[in-house]
Amino acid sequence: AQSVSQHNHHVILSEAASLELGCNYSYGGTVNLFWYVQYPGQHLQLLLKYFSGDPLVKGIKGFEAEFIKSKFSFNLRKPSVQWSDTAEYFCAVTAGRGSTLGRLYFGRGTQLTVWP
Amino acid sequence: GAGVSQSPRYKVAKRGQDVALRCDPISGHVSLFWYQQALGQGPEFLTYFQNEAQLDKSGLPSDRFFAERPEGSVSTLKIQRTQQEDSAVYLCASSFLPHEQYFGPGTRLTVT
Repeated sequence: AQSVSQHNHHVILSEAASLELGCNYSYGGTVNLFWYVQYPGQHLQLLLKYFSGDPLVKGIKGFEAEFIKSKFSFNLRKPSVQWSDTAEYFCAVTAGRGSTLGRLYFGRGTQLTVWP
Repeated sequence: GAGVSQSPRYKVAKRGQDVALRCDPISGHVSLFWYQQALGQGPEFLTYFQNEAQLDKSGLPSDRFFAERPEGSVSTLKIQRTQQEDSAVYLCASSFLPHEQYFGPGTRLTVT
């Protein structure tokens, strides 16, 4: 079965620091990759996604992620974080084929706290 | 337009009670997913509907869990004889395209 690993459970940064959150998945076939964000008191929102093409994808609010197939990784980055980026971040994967297209496999999440 | 809505937002049940959780997907979305999110964990897949057909229920943890979507729109997740381990946030997501899901706010279930 597919699995997703997020290495950092809680990251604490000061404003303007750079961010990189790690995500690795285990699935040898075609995958679609996602980062979701959950701001305090809000529901899960899509931050960015990768289906095919350029492995460097850009999302909302200045976030980007790089798909490295050989490393089974899809790390999230942001050059300069803001206090408003405080949230929980989830990496997720769907298999490219299967009876349940779109079934998401999530990592356990990384809580990002940004101090002003 | 309106997003995915779920009700109730919070539910407290005594162990052994039955509960029903409702999901109103975005209008026109054919796919509907239910996930369970335990404290400190990521969401885990429970079941999937395409219109009214339940195509995958492999994630339902036991036969106490039952989901339906009789008219291809609103869905209900029912848990019979609730147990403490059922305490979690239950998330509903809908999509028009297979890989673009929109999540609701979730129902936080606490079993005492």
